[in-house]
Amino acid sequence: ETGVTQTPRHLVMGMTNKKSLKCEQHLGHNAMYWYKQSAKKPLELMFVYSLEERVENNSVPSRFSPECPNSSHLFLHLHTLQPEDSALYLCASSQDFGYEQYFGPGTRLTVT
Amino acid sequence: GIQVEQSPPDLILQEGANSTLRCNFSDSVNNLQWFHQNPWGQLINLFYIPSGTKQNGRLSATTVATERYSLLYISSSQTTDSGVYFCAVAGTASKLTFGTGTRLQVTL
Repeated sequence: ETGVTQTPRHLVMGMTNKKSLKCEQHLGHNAMYWYKQSAKKPLELMFVYSLEERVENNSVPSRFSPECPNSSHLFLHLHTLQPEDSALYLCASSQDFGYEQYFGPGTRLTVT
Repeated sequence: GIQVEQSPPDLILQEGANSTLRCNFSDSVNNLQWFHQNPWGQLINLFYIPSGTKQNGRLSATTVATERYSLLYISSSQTTDSGVYFCAVAGTASKLTFGTGTRLQVTL
């Protein structure tokens, strides 16, 4: 399944670094999402974009900064992260709200 | 927000056995999806099923929206079926709320 791609697949960063996660969808969808999956916790929604406009920010700390330059690309900019931010970050897209969501393979992030 | 409960939390089966996974949710939904997460973390879409019944090979799912539950059936299980199965729902909002998953292990 290559409908939603994510890079990098693995990332190790120090707490003072700045890095970005990239997501690209090839499905012609209008909505894109960032989710976080921590060990022993359910997947939780972080951000939602519809037609490049952020429509939801699920109480995410400001050290996570999303960007959606067009309907096919979504970025998550990371800075001054904490070790507890280590997790699997998943991107998803859907035709619109309420439609089936398709997920990318995820970026496994480790903060040292 | 919507609450999602999945049962059982863990399940061990011998190859060839059948199983039923359950998802209960607390409110009306417009979207209900079943996923299989493989060992590398990839979420694989199994069903988009806010209501009704669907089948795909050895897998089938039924959602009874009026009673707020969904069932995922796995027949003739194989070792490749091992992994975590998630149910996720959304109401009128865009947010998919995930359950805590059922961890399935299929042994030879």
